[in-house]
Amino acid sequence: DGGITQSPKYLFRKEGQNVTLSCEQNLNHDAMYWYRQDPGQGLRLIYYSQIVNDFQKGDIAEGYSVSREKKESFPLTVTSAQKNPTAFYLCASSIGARGASYGYTFGSGTRLTVV
Amino acid sequence: AQKITQTQPGMFVQEKEAVTLDCTYDTSDPSYGLFWYKQPSSGEMIFLIYQGSYDQQNATEGRYSLNFQKARKSANLVISASQLGDSAMYFCAMREIYKTSYDKVIFGPGTSLSVIP
Repeated sequence: DGGITQSPKYLFRKEGQNVTLSCEQNLNHDAMYWYRQDPGQGLRLIYYSQIVNDFQKGDIAEGYSVSREKKESFPLTVTSAQKNPTAFYLCASSIGARGASYGYTFGSGTRLTVV
Repeated sequence: AQKITQTQPGMFVQEKEAVTLDCTYDTSDPSYGLFWYKQPSSGEMIFLIYQGSYDQQNATEGRYSLNFQKARKSANLVISASQLGDSAMYFCAMREIYKTSYDKVIFGPGTSLSVIP
């Protein structure tokens, strides 16, 4: 079955440490996205990528970095510059067509905690 | 500016009753799509239903229906015959077709639904 795999499910980060969240999809989707979700709140867009080797900042990109070297993969690095990284991170993908009648496909999320 | 508004932070419904979750949106795009997602406590986002701005009929998917009132910019989700498994966060979302350079879906703040046995 096609889908999106996020790993790890839980991640603990020490102060000043960079960590990388993995996101892999086998849906042959062109577009991929990273969202941050804080408790009881909605989703905020961190970065998106419409095509391999191209990505753009979303609404809250500061302190984060991404790469898109393969169509299937869109890893997110939470850098030490991100002062409040504790949150739930969701990766999503879509075929990239704005007229599509279905929404994004989401991974199961990574819960990041600073210790 | 907030494009998606969900005014009910929390809702309770008795099992087997119907419940309506409110959503209003703001766009000047002549063509757009509206979605509802369910997020259980496990965290995954589950796509429930879609309504296109030019669709004449309200969308339905099993126990879910979308009450689309275009002139009022309203896209309420109706869940019939609530089940305990319906307890979750529900997000309304919108995709603008022309007024965006990429496939951008905007999410509302969510409504927490609790089904009472």
